[in-house]
Amino acid sequence: DAGVIQSPRHEVTEMGQEVTLRCKPISGHDYLFWYRQTMMRGLELLIYFNNNVPIDDSGMPEDRFSAKMPNASFSTLKIQPSEPRDSAVYFCASISPFGDLGTEAFFGQGTRLTVV
Amino acid sequence: KNQVEQSPQSLIILEGKNCTLQCNYTVSPFSNLRWYKQDTGRGPVSLTIMTFSENTKSNGRYTATLDADTKQSSLHITASQLSDSASYICVVSARGLLGAGSYQLTFGKGTKLSVIP
Repeated sequence: DAGVIQSPRHEVTEMGQEVTLRCKPISGHDYLFWYRQTMMRGLELLIYFNNNVPIDDSGMPEDRFSAKMPNASFSTLKIQPSEPRDSAVYFCASISPFGDLGTEAFFGQGTRLTVV
Repeated sequence: KNQVEQSPQSLIILEGKNCTLQCNYTVSPFSNLRWYKQDTGRGPVSLTIMTFSENTKSNGRYTATLDADTKQSSLHITASQLSDSASYICVVSARGLLGAGSYQLTFGKGTKLSVIP
């Protein structure tokens, strides 16, 4: 398996534009997480899905952020409209469905978003 | 509120030397604790996992300890190498609080380790 795949790796956009980040989890993993990482706050959980269903979206900063998981192999995180303070590295991670919750999270390479 | 605090924030050591990174947590109900290594420009990768009943676990030159009573963990790196330069993130997992299917990971902000020749 190629691991968790995110695209694009880098995104530079102007303030006010719509940004869509994409993630393909590891096949068979039924948990998918979206995180945002900044120097100031470290890794912050935005939202996670279990079997394509959003379980906890309390970390989504505001209504400008939305996430979908239309099927088990694809998820998107959308920011509309984008603002400079959204600049960060966005990670997607997936977890295997074994009984012991808390097994290893496999992270993608991240998308570095810069909003100018 | 679940929290994970790591220290120091950054550390510089000479190649070949040992170092210890600290992690204190207030996460409940505790499930397990993982140390992740994050190389620059890449996603975090798990180094080791500690469950409630485990005190020490080694993975090559990395040794993690866990004291569940004081809610502290450490990651000891022996004979450091230049490739150990990275951020080390402590992640504590809590059992689901939102019913079946729920899940919670709490991340520390990491310790940035620089190994210099």
